[in-house]
Amino acid sequence: DQQVKQNSPSLSVQEGRISILNCDYTNSMFDYFLWYKKYPAEGPTFLISISSIKDKNEDGRFTVFLNKSAKHLSLHIVPSQPGDSAVYFCAASGIQGAQKLVFGQGTRLTINP
Amino acid sequence: GAGVSQSPSNKVTEKGKDVELRCDPISGHTALYWYRQRLGQGLEFLIYFQGNSAPDKSGLPSDRFSAERTGESVSTLTIQRTQQEDSAVYLCASSRGGAENEQFFGPGTRLTVL
Repeated sequence: DQQVKQNSPSLSVQEGRISILNCDYTNSMFDYFLWYKKYPAEGPTFLISISSIKDKNEDGRFTVFLNKSAKHLSLHIVPSQPGDSAVYFCAASGIQGAQKLVFGQGTRLTINP
Repeated sequence: GAGVSQSPSNKVTEKGKDVELRCDPISGHTALYWYRQRLGQGLEFLIYFQGNSAPDKSGLPSDRFSAERTGESVSTLTIQRTQQEDSAVYLCASSRGGAENEQFFGPGTRLTVL
């Protein structure tokens, strides 16, 4: 069963606009959430994280929002830049203290000039 | 400082052969993880080492898969009698350990089983 889901396989956004990537999870025991960015032929790179005790975390152009009642998180990138074009994965951890990450399937973001 | 390194970067093998993949974590990182990514899919957890504790092997898909770690350094992932469905990118990550420490990933080994 897919415990972390990214229902949009791809997203296209114009440069300068806001990119919003969405992620849903099914297990309420997850307590830590992360977003990773991946370029082809490279490993994922950590972007931003959020603990379940918070509902928002911001780092520069990146903001992650967590809605625990809806079991939903989103990543906002504003303004979007061409270098943001990549595959974005959300991940969750923390069930019974476990540190292994459970990943979504990824969303390919394309920023159009 | 050096990041997580993995070798080889690419491996092509014939069905039924054994393969060994290597991971060098970031120095000082006590936790080491192996994941794999099949084409078009997300990353799938395989195994996790933390210090001297028994590894969490809950993600290994079959007994053909095994991994070892020497102290808090190098790890090897071994796949015996490879099958075509083992074809994937195998990714290693390391972290300082603890519940809220980000994992740093290596570039991965692309395994192709013919």
